[in-house]
Amino acid sequence: DAKTTQPTSMDCAEGRAANLPCNHSTISGNEYVYWYRQIHSQGPQYIIHGLKNNETNEMASLIITEDRKSSTLILPHATLRDTAVYYCIALNAGNNRKLIWGLGTSLAVNP
Amino acid sequence: DGGITQSPKYLFRKEGQNVTLSCEQNLNHDAMYWYRQDPGQGLRLIYYSQIVNDFQKGDIAEGYSVSREKKESFPLTVTSAQKNPTAFYLCASSTIGGTYGYTFGSGTRLTVV
Repeated sequence: DAKTTQPTSMDCAEGRAANLPCNHSTISGNEYVYWYRQIHSQGPQYIIHGLKNNETNEMASLIITEDRKSSTLILPHATLRDTAVYYCIALNAGNNRKLIWGLGTSLAVNP
Repeated sequence: DGGITQSPKYLFRKEGQNVTLSCEQNLNHDAMYWYRQDPGQGLRLIYYSQIVNDFQKGDIAEGYSVSREKKESFPLTVTSAQKNPTAFYLCASSTIGGTYGYTFGSGTRLTVV
């Protein structure tokens, strides 16, 4: 499994866009980039995933660089409820087993 | 609504006791997983199962046991051999293959007293 690297913490003002980066320089061709978030003492919640193309859904947008070595999760208008730990992981579509998740980025959205 | 249910939400265990955490899903997912999360840490895989009556160890399986007698259920037993069981336990399920990723339960917080 490819290793991912994320900043430990970030701050964002309410109503502004939150841009969360992730490095995955060793990602292989059949690994997708997934983003999850975890609000304190709850199970992680799926946000978005992508392989090569940029993706958008009702929660967020995912921008993947052309070389696939990094990606950015964008929350276009952050709210206080977006305060959470955000995890970026690489998953092989044929084998969803993931041994270890990193520490993620703790995002604090401030009023 | 389809989902994955963990129970209980909070569990207290005396030292030397075995306890079993429940995980049930109605998503018709083939694969199920158990993760452990310690304060300020990421998730670590304990066990996973991709088919009924079969399961594999993850990175930290020592002191834990599982069973998969039904597709919908994947209970985790924390045995007395687990020296530091106090943690937040998360169950997840997924399809095998495909790109749908994981669906997680809401977790069980186990405390040894």
